[in-house]
Amino acid sequence: AQSVTQLDSQVPVFEEAPVELRCNYSSSVSVYLFWYVQYPNQGLQLLLKYLSGSTLVKGINGFEAEFNKSQTSFHLRKPSVHISDTAEYFCAVARMNRDDKIIFGKGTRLHILP
Amino acid sequence: DSGVTQTPKHLITATGQRVTLRCSPRSGDLSVYWYQQSLDQGLQFLIQYYNGEERAKGNILERFSAQQFPDLHSELNLSSLELGDSALYFCASSGPLGGEAFFGQGTRLTVV
Repeated sequence: AQSVTQLDSQVPVFEEAPVELRCNYSSSVSVYLFWYVQYPNQGLQLLLKYLSGSTLVKGINGFEAEFNKSQTSFHLRKPSVHISDTAEYFCAVARMNRDDKIIFGKGTRLHILP
Repeated sequence: DSGVTQTPKHLITATGQRVTLRCSPRSGDLSVYWYQQSLDQGLQFLIQYYNGEERAKGNILERFSAQQFPDLHSELNLSSLELGDSALYFCASSGPLGGEAFFGQGTRLTVV
C-alpha cells in the first residue's frame, strides 16, 4: 500500500523568503505524485503533478517540486512567498497507470509572516 | 471552477439522523472519490467508484454507504449520525486513465 508523510504540520516563513515543504512517500510500485493547495474555506486545487519524465516539476503560482526516487521524496519549493500563499498544502500519491485512489498526507499549514 | 459540483454546501442535522450528499463529476470523468476532512483526522479517503462499480474502500464506517449512478453522479449516505461525523466531505473525480483528481467545494456537515 502507498503512504505519504508530510514532515511538518506547520511552517512559518517571512514574506518574500524561500520555503520548502517536505514530503516523503512509501510505495512498492511506481507512483504518480501530486501537491494540492487548500485555501481557507475552499476545496483542494492541484498545484503540480509528477507523472513521468523530468524530475523537476513546475506548477502554478511559482511553485515547483523535485521528485527524488532514491530518497522517495517530493519536496515542494517556492523561492519567494507572498501573503496570498497562506494555505494548507497536501502531498498525495497514486499508483501509476491505474485509475486508483489518491492517498493524501496530513497536510502542512503555511503561515506567511509580514 | 474544477467542474465537480457538490450539494448541499452546508448541512446541519441532529444526531441519529440520515443525510445524503450529492456529487456530479466533471464531464467525461469515470472515477468518483469521497473524502472526509476533519481537524483531528486530516483528509481521509472513504470510497471510490469507477463507472458505477465500487473500486476501492478506505476508512468508511458501516453507517456510511455510497453509490454511483448510470449518469455517473454519486451520492454518499450517512446514517445514524453522531457528533463525531461533523466534518467537511469532499467529492473528487478523475478521468479514465487516472492521474490527478479534481475536487468539489465540499459539503460541511454539522451534527448537533
